[in-house]
Amino acid sequence: QVQLKESGPGLVQPSQTLSLTCTVSGLSLTSNSVSWIRQPPGKGLEWMGVIWSNGGTDYNSAIKSRLSISRDTSKSQVFLKMNSLQTEDTAMYFCARITSMTMAFAYWGQGTLVTVSS
Amino acid sequence: NIVMTQSPKSMSISVGDRVTMNCKASQNVGNNIAWYQQKPGQSPKLLIYYASNRYTGVPDRFTGGGYGTDFTLTINSVQAEDAAFYYCQRIYNSPWTFGGGTKLELK
Repeated sequence: QVQLKESGPGLVQPSQTLSLTCTVSGLSLTSNSVSWIRQPPGKGLEWMGVIWSNGGTDYNSAIKSRLSISRDTSKSQVFLKMNSLQTEDTAMYFCARITSMTMAFAYWGQGTLVTVSS
Repeated sequence: NIVMTQSPKSMSISVGDRVTMNCKASQNVGNNIAWYQQKPGQSPKLLIYYASNRYTGVPDRFTGGGYGTDFTLTINSVQAEDAAFYYCQRIYNSPWTFGGGTKLELK
């Protein structure tokens, strides 16, 4: 059974760096691609970036300069790091698996809420 | 970058009605569109991929259509549990841009 679960600090101070982990089960990261998506409270979805099964990455150009996505295949974990956080980065952060059949986000984690506040 | 524009932003309909919502891409994306349903407090759920393919387990009252820049999601005989936000998304290539969403409310 495929599962994804996000984890992170919950509260981050402005200007600091956010570090999130997406732990996956039931799949191998060497043959699956995982993306990060965020959703500010009461607003829509924003695609952040993807780490492909081959380890390559693509990022949303609007946040590319602040964002890094990496993985540890042995631990089945995908990492998100974003620096210079501001209050507008307050959001629910989701990771999601892209399936080769759909090339869409067929499996999502439950999300983790990150609040940027001093 | 591709911009995905959804309309209307919200709609209120009655159980049993048929509803169609729209998604317009700023450039030709072929059939590389997905539709998601999101209810409050939940993660989005994939409904449609490649514009018109219903995902596993999705009721057949959900139908996707369109190609190029203009896409639709139609729900035939809307049920109470269909009240939700619906998002379109460009898929297959980066950037995987989402539309702003359509809120479907039941009268």
